[in-house]
Amino acid sequence: DAGVIQSPRHEVTEMGQEVTLRCKPISGHNSLFWYRQTMMRGLELLIYFNNNVPIDDSGMPEDRFSAKMPNASFSTLKIQPSEPRDSAVYFCASTRGQGATTGELFFGEGSRLTVL
Amino acid sequence: QQQVKQSPQSLIVQKGGISIINCAYENTAFDYFPWYQQFPGKGPALLIAIRPDVSEKKEGRFTISFNKSAKQFSLHIMDSQPGDSATYFCAASRDTGRRALTFGSGTRLQVQP
Repeated sequence: DAGVIQSPRHEVTEMGQEVTLRCKPISGHNSLFWYRQTMMRGLELLIYFNNNVPIDDSGMPEDRFSAKMPNASFSTLKIQPSEPRDSAVYFCASTRGQGATTGELFFGEGSRLTVL
Repeated sequence: QQQVKQSPQSLIVQKGGISIINCAYENTAFDYFPWYQQFPGKGPALLIAIRPDVSEKKEGRFTISFNKSAKQFSLHIMDSQPGDSATYFCAASRDTGRRALTFGSGTRLQVQP
């Protein structure tokens, strides 16, 4: 079975450029999460969707970050304009049910972003 | 606001030894406490999880101990193996409201042969 698929796996860009990260959750999962991982701050929740609707976006750092889930099989995280402090590994995860407590979170392999 | 505090930051254990990682939480509304394991270049994967109605859960060599009154829980890895070398994250969430997992800062475990 295919797991959570993220693209690109690696992205190197220059400050000020737009970055779009993509995620395909596991089929049948109706909750999707975007996390950011850095050495300094660990794993931080950015945003959480349930049935394609954003439920909690309190972790989105600022207006430069936006996320969409146009359908059950696709989500994007966009950073515009990007800054060097956005450099991190961005993970997408999905699960069945209404939240993390209903079962296991399945993570993708992450998108490593480097902003020069 | 760090709602889940994890220690130690790193841990070196000899093969066959016991690895112990501790976490403490602040939010008494948390009612689900999983541990995730992450290998380099991979996403975290669920290892074992516990709910506060039990004080201990064991799966193979991995055991979670849970102390509700102290708001603490820990992961014990018995007979640690080099293949257990990874980063371990504790996490917590609640069944209502903000249901996403809040992760601890992670523990890098190295099991030496």
